[in-house]
Amino acid sequence: GEDVEQSLFLSVREGDSSVINCTYTDSSSTYLYWYKQEPGAGLQLLTYIFSNMDMKQDQRLTVLLNKKDKHLSLRIADTQTGDSAIYFCAEDMDTGRRALTFGSGTRLQVQP
Amino acid sequence: SAVISQKPSRDICQRGTSLTIQCQVDSQVTMMFWYRQQPGQSLTLIATANQGSEATYESGFVIDKFPISRPNLTFSTLTVSNMSPEDSSIYLCSVEWPPGSYEQYFGPGTRLTVT
Repeated sequence: GEDVEQSLFLSVREGDSSVINCTYTDSSSTYLYWYKQEPGAGLQLLTYIFSNMDMKQDQRLTVLLNKKDKHLSLRIADTQTGDSAIYFCAEDMDTGRRALTFGSGTRLQVQP
Repeated sequence: SAVISQKPSRDICQRGTSLTIQCQVDSQVTMMFWYRQQPGQSLTLIATANQGSEATYESGFVIDKFPISRPNLTFSTLTVSNMSPEDSSIYLCSVEWPPGSYEQYFGPGTRLTVT
């Protein structure tokens, strides 16, 4: 079965880089996702990566995928207080179904 | 991204009653999903609701408890039946947009409290 794991908490200082890590178990996953959830808000799709890619960069966000180790990371450069939120990684359960399995979420706290 | 709205945004209900949650999308989508987020937890898929077919439920979720309708390509409802306090959660719908893109967007959620 699918299982997605994340560390629960990360604290960084404003202006530093943040790296949020995720491991998954389903080697057949085609797409892997990062979502952001601010307090009292819905989920915002930040970025996603196709499984045949190693890296994807989008402005301050860099996603690294190590398919051999089933490890996914999200790096946020120049972290701002507005980046404080819970970050969820997710994998597609089955390419045809498009349904997602989510990790437990990492709470990022940015200290001014 | 598609604009997704949900009604109600929140509700407080008594145990034993039922609540129907609506999800409206501003574009026609084939694939629509319903998730549950229990307090302080991650998201769990309840069911997949594709237009023109019966909803497909995940392990631990049954149609009698969570009946779903999908009458057209822009709308779906999820009913939480015979509620108990354990059903207190945020319920979210999501859609794949554009179709075939693998990009999945979520509605704002419905926060349900059962007393």
